[in-house]
Amino acid sequence: EAEVAQSPRYKITEKSQAVAFWCDPISGHATLYWYRQILGQGPELLVQFQDESVVDDSQLPKDRFSAERLKGVDSTLKIQPAELGDSAMYLCASSFLRAPGETQYFGPGTRLLVL
Amino acid sequence: SQQGEEDPQALSIQEGENATMNCSYKTSINNLQWYRQNSGRGLVHLILIRSNEREKHSGRLRVTLDTSKKSSSLLITASRAADTASYFCATDYLDDYKLSFGAGTTVTVRA
Repeated sequence: EAEVAQSPRYKITEKSQAVAFWCDPISGHATLYWYRQILGQGPELLVQFQDESVVDDSQLPKDRFSAERLKGVDSTLKIQPAELGDSAMYLCASSFLRAPGETQYFGPGTRLLVL
Repeated sequence: SQQGEEDPQALSIQEGENATMNCSYKTSINNLQWYRQNSGRGLVHLILIRSNEREKHSGRLRVTLDTSKKSSSLLITASRAADTASYFCATDYLDDYKLSFGAGTTVTVRA
C-alpha cells in the first residue's frame, strides 16, 4: 500500500539553527499539507499546496518558516532560525483532490526538539 | 484555531468493553471525519460522515452526527488492546477545504 514518506523521523537542534524536513506524498496526489502538532493537541495546518502552488499558508509563521514544492511532487519545510517553541511533531499529509471530505493520508511525522 | 473539541480527554476501559467519545464543533460543516493516531505516529483515517447523514458504521465503529447540536460521537465496540490510541475528530466547514482538528481523546484499553 502506498504511503507518505517523511524524513528525518527525529531531529534535535539548538535554537537559532536551521532545520529542514522532507515529505514525499503518495504518487498521484495533487494536494499536500504540512501540519504542526504540539504534544497533547491536534494537528494544526501550516501550509497547503495544490500541485506546486501554495493555496493556504495563513497559519505559517513566515518570518521563520518556508515551504516549497517545486515540481509539484515532494516538498520541503524549513525553519530558520529555530526557536524553543518550535518543538513539536511535524506531519505531512496528501490527498488525491482538494475537496471537502477528501481523505488525507498522513506520513509518520518528524519529531523536532529544539534545545 | 481548532474547530472541534473532544470529550473526554482520556478514557480507560477493559478489553471487550465499548468506548464512546464525543466531538463538538462551532460552525456549520460539510463533513466530519474521525482519525486515529497511535503513539508517536501519523494519523490514520477511520470514517467520514457527511452533514446530511445521521449515522454510519464501519466494522466495529459507529459514528453519529447531530447537526442541530453541532456534535458527533464515535463508538468503538468490543475494544481490543490494539485500539489503544488517540482519536481526533476533524471538520471541514462551509466554503473551506481545510480540516480543523480537535485536541483528541486518548483511549487506553487494558488487557
